[in-house]
Amino acid sequence: QQQVKQSPQSLIVQKGGISIINCAYENTAFDYFPWYQQFPGKGPALLIAIRPDVSEKKEGRFTISFNKSAKQFSLHIMDSQPGDSATYFCAARPRTDYKLSFGAGTTVTVRA
Amino acid sequence: DGGITQSPKYLFRKEGQNVTLSCEQNLNHDAMYWYRQDPGQGLRLIYYSQIVNDFQKGDIAEGYSVSREKKESFPLTVTSAQKNPTAFYLCASRTGGAEKLFFGSGTQLSVL
Repeated sequence: QQQVKQSPQSLIVQKGGISIINCAYENTAFDYFPWYQQFPGKGPALLIAIRPDVSEKKEGRFTISFNKSAKQFSLHIMDSQPGDSATYFCAARPRTDYKLSFGAGTTVTVRA
Repeated sequence: DGGITQSPKYLFRKEGQNVTLSCEQNLNHDAMYWYRQDPGQGLRLIYYSQIVNDFQKGDIAEGYSVSREKKESFPLTVTSAQKNPTAFYLCASRTGGAEKLFFGSGTQLSVL
């Protein structure tokens, strides 16, 4: 049973558009929420992360929005570029454990 | 260059055979992890080790075994008891106290 539910499974966006990926969780003990980016045939790499004491974090074109009361968080990719085409995973871990639980992943395709 | 090396990149297993996937890191990280990736299911934790000579089962440990005799090495054996071993296997490491996971490039295991 997946502890972090991620949607959509895939999305296609035009170059310059906005990609939005959503994740939801139930475990209120989660206190660290990273996003990982994975290119085909490679291992995932940390993209951006947030803790529940802030509602938003931005790094370049990537923004995490966090809604603690709704137990949801999302990744926004602004001005999407073909090089952003990859699979994105949200994840979460509880404050007492370093075990990350991953979402099912979203494959993003950016069309030129 | 510091990083995580997984070998082989591709591996084939015959019926009833045990196979071992190699994971070596030169990052001097204390913690190491094995994840299994299946299409549409995200990454699922098989085993993890916080320190040499100690390891814990993850969410899907049945049919797998590990050892951690050296800090830099964390091999995973897929035993014949694992009836559905075809997947992409990812090794990761983390330095103590830090959140970021560093992943290797993975091993694709297939059944002949």
